[in-house]
Amino acid sequence: LAKTTQPISMDSYEGQEVNITCSHNNIATNDYITWYQQFPSQGPRFIIQGYKTKVTNEVASLFIPADRKSSTLSLPRVSLSDTAVYYCLVGPLDTGRRALTFGSGTRLQVQP
Amino acid sequence: GAVVSQHPSRVICKSGTSVKIECRSLDFQATTMFWYRQFPKKSLMLMATSNEGSKATYEQGVEKDKFLINHASLTLSTLTVTSAHPEDSSFYICSARDDRGGQPQHFGDGTRLSIL
Repeated sequence: LAKTTQPISMDSYEGQEVNITCSHNNIATNDYITWYQQFPSQGPRFIIQGYKTKVTNEVASLFIPADRKSSTLSLPRVSLSDTAVYYCLVGPLDTGRRALTFGSGTRLQVQP
Repeated sequence: GAVVSQHPSRVICKSGTSVKIECRSLDFQATTMFWYRQFPKKSLMLMATSNEGSKATYEQGVEKDKFLINHASLTLSTLTVTSAHPEDSSFYICSARDDRGGQPQHFGDGTRLSIL
């Protein structure tokens, strides 16, 4: 599975937009990009998934350039409750036989 | 949406006790489930892949006799930490993905295991 690189930590303030970029230089043709959010003492929670260009849902947007070697998770107007660790994962969207490999993630701290 | 239920959420027990953790997929079938372990301030580490109807596949360095996995149905996998010791204290998380494919992997809420 493609290895990912993310910033270890980021700081922001309430109401700001936060963009977390993930590098995945050796992404394969059939790989998708998935982002998870994890709060302390909880399991990771699915945020968004995409293959190319832009994907948007009710909580975030995911921007993927044409070469797909990186992706950016965009969180609009963050609040204190968005303080969490965010993981970027890359892998095929198959029938679920393969586990996800987690990198170090990005620890986002949102200040008042 | 797809939900994975993990039980119990927290266990505190004496050294030498065996502890069983359940992982259920509530609204989908999962032939394969995964067990992870997470230490404080660290990322998730895959321990084993649980396969319905067959033996689990363990990652390098994970003792299969210490961490027994049973995947008896398409919606239930269990992890039993046998003769637990303080060094087994950790946060254990399971995950599963719908057999029909095309869906992201979903995670349970984890089990905090504390061995005294």
